[in-house]
Amino acid sequence: EAGVAQSPRYKIIEKRQSVAFWCNPISGHATLYWYQQILGQGPKLLIQFQNNGVVDDSQLPKDRFSAERLKGVDSTLKIQPAKLEDSAVYLCASSAAGLPRETQYFGPGTRLLVL
Amino acid sequence: AQSVTQLDSQVPVFEEAPVELRCNYSSSVSVYLFWYVQYPNQGLQLLLKYLSGSTLVESINGFEAEFNKSQTSFHLRKPSVHISDTAEYFCAVSDSGGSNYKLTFGKGTLLTVNP
Repeated sequence: EAGVAQSPRYKIIEKRQSVAFWCNPISGHATLYWYQQILGQGPKLLIQFQNNGVVDDSQLPKDRFSAERLKGVDSTLKIQPAKLEDSAVYLCASSAAGLPRETQYFGPGTRLLVL
Repeated sequence: AQSVTQLDSQVPVFEEAPVELRCNYSSSVSVYLFWYVQYPNQGLQLLLKYLSGSTLVESINGFEAEFNKSQTSFHLRKPSVHISDTAEYFCAVSDSGGSNYKLTFGKGTLLTVNP
């Protein structure tokens, strides 16, 4: 069974530019998560989707970050405009139904450097 | 609100030595507890989890963790480590009974196993 796929793996941009990350979850998983992992810290949830609806986006900086999950499968996370402090690894994860007892399966992440 | 404290940011050990990675959590409700491991250049993967029942949980590769409710701890142990155990280990907590399903991670402990 294929795991969670993410692209690109690395991205370098100038501040104030825009960038987009793509995620394809495990087939059949209803819940998709985007996390931000800043160097030296644990992952922080940015947004959680249940199918194509948003369950939790309380920690998403909505003035510059946006995310969508069309058709309840793939998802895209966008940053516009990027700031220096957005340099981090962006992790996508999925789980079968979004229940708290479930295992989350993580992709390899996209490492973003903002110069 | 939940929080997780991993008391050691780095733990260097020699091969075949025992190791303990410490994790304490804070929550006003019942919780589920997880340990995730992140090998270099890979995404996080579940190592073990406590949901209910026996307070001692084990992984397939020799790690174990014990849930201690009175001390609000979930320390991870292995009696004899291998070079291949070198990775970053994250402790995480989620609310087991409420409406907040968010997984909250600690800052991680980098375990380095030296020959």
